[in-house]
Formats: sequence, C-alpha cells, structure tokens
Amino acid sequence: LAKTTQPISMDSYEGQEVNITCSHNNIATNDYITWYQQFPSQGPRFIIQGYKTKVTNEVASLFIPADRKSSTLSLPRVSLSDTAVYYCLVAGGFKTIFGAGTRLFVKA
Amino acid sequence: EPEVTQTPSHQVTQMGQEVILRCVPISNHLYFYWYRQILGQKVEFLVSFYNNEISEKSEIFDDQFSVERPDGSNFTLKIRSTKLEDSAMYFCASYSGGPQETQYFGPGTRLLVL
Repeated sequence: LAKTTQPISMDSYEGQEVNITCSHNNIATNDYITWYQQFPSQGPRFIIQGYKTKVTNEVASLFIPADRKSSTLSLPRVSLSDTAVYYCLVAGGFKTIFGAGTRLFVKA
Repeated sequence: EPEVTQTPSHQVTQMGQEVILRCVPISNHLYFYWYRQILGQKVEFLVSFYNNEISEKSEIFDDQFSVERPDGSNFTLKIRSTKLEDSAMYFCASYSGGPQETQYFGPGTRLLVL
C-alpha cells in the first residue's frame, strides 16, 4: 500500500488560493489518488479524484505529474468554511489507508 | 443525492457490553467499509466487505469485532465486549466498484465506553 506524506498544517487567508501537496512515491499502476475533506465530528467528504494530469470540478483542481509520485490539491479562493483537515489517499483494492492529513486554517 | 446513513448518531455504553452500529450504504454499492477515528487522531481502516464476506481487515479488527450484512440494505459492526479504548467515532463507507468512483462516508456514530 502506498504511504502518503502531507504537510501537517497550513494557514491561509480568505480569498487566497491554497495548494496542498501530497507525496506518494510507491503508488501502484492501478491506484487512483483521492482527496477528502473532514470537519470535526463529521465523516470524510469526497473532494476530487484523479489518475494523471489534471482534474477539475466545481470545488477544486487536482494536479498529478507524469510520474504520479505526488499530487497537488488546489482550492481556489478559500473561505473561512474551508477550514478543515484534508486527506490525500492512494487507494487500490480493499484496504484504504488514511495519512495524518493537512489541517488547513483559513483566517479572515 | 444518495448518501450513506448511520445509526445511532451517539451511543454510550458500559465497558464489557455489546454494541451494534448500523449503516445503510448507498443502494447500488457493492463494497462496504468500517473505519474508526479516536478523538484528535486520524481515520483508521477497520474492515472491508464484499460479496458477503470480509475482504480485508486491519490489526485493530480483532475477535471482538464482527461485521454482517443481515439483509439487502443494512451493514452492521458489532463489538462484543467493549473496552474503554473503543471510544471513538465509527464511520461506515460504501463504494460502487466503478473504476473512477470512490468511497462515500456516512456521518458517523460517536461511541463512548464508560
């Protein structure tokens, strides 16, 4: 199982773009990269998923370089409500391992 | 939008008692999971379930734990004899199995063992 490494915490201000990078050096060929958001006392919420290159949806973009050994979640124009823990997962098969996640603090 | 539901939202129990946590996965999903999260810590995988049997389990999922899909809709986690250290949020998740799909999580059950 690929282990993921993310920064423990990040600070930002409202309106800024936030980029959170995750390293996953041992990613397998069939693995997808998935990002979740978690607020206190709530279940993880799916943000975005990709395999390679760039994926964009209504809330975020995901950049994956050709070697797929890392990925970057980009949150455009964050607001106070984006304060949460963000998890990068590399999942394949039946077992999913969460890393420690990145605690994002958005300040006014 | 379909969602995973869990009951109860909170449960308090005495050490040594049995608890059953219930989940209703998204209806067309085939893979089911239980995770736990101790307060202030990361989400930990417990078990995955597919085709009416356990597919994978972690070292946390010992003989005190069991899972069951008693009917076509529910997915349960049973802890036979709870310990203080079982106090945590327990999350159920389900997944359709599609190559570009992902796991969807329920809101969790907060279990407190006294």
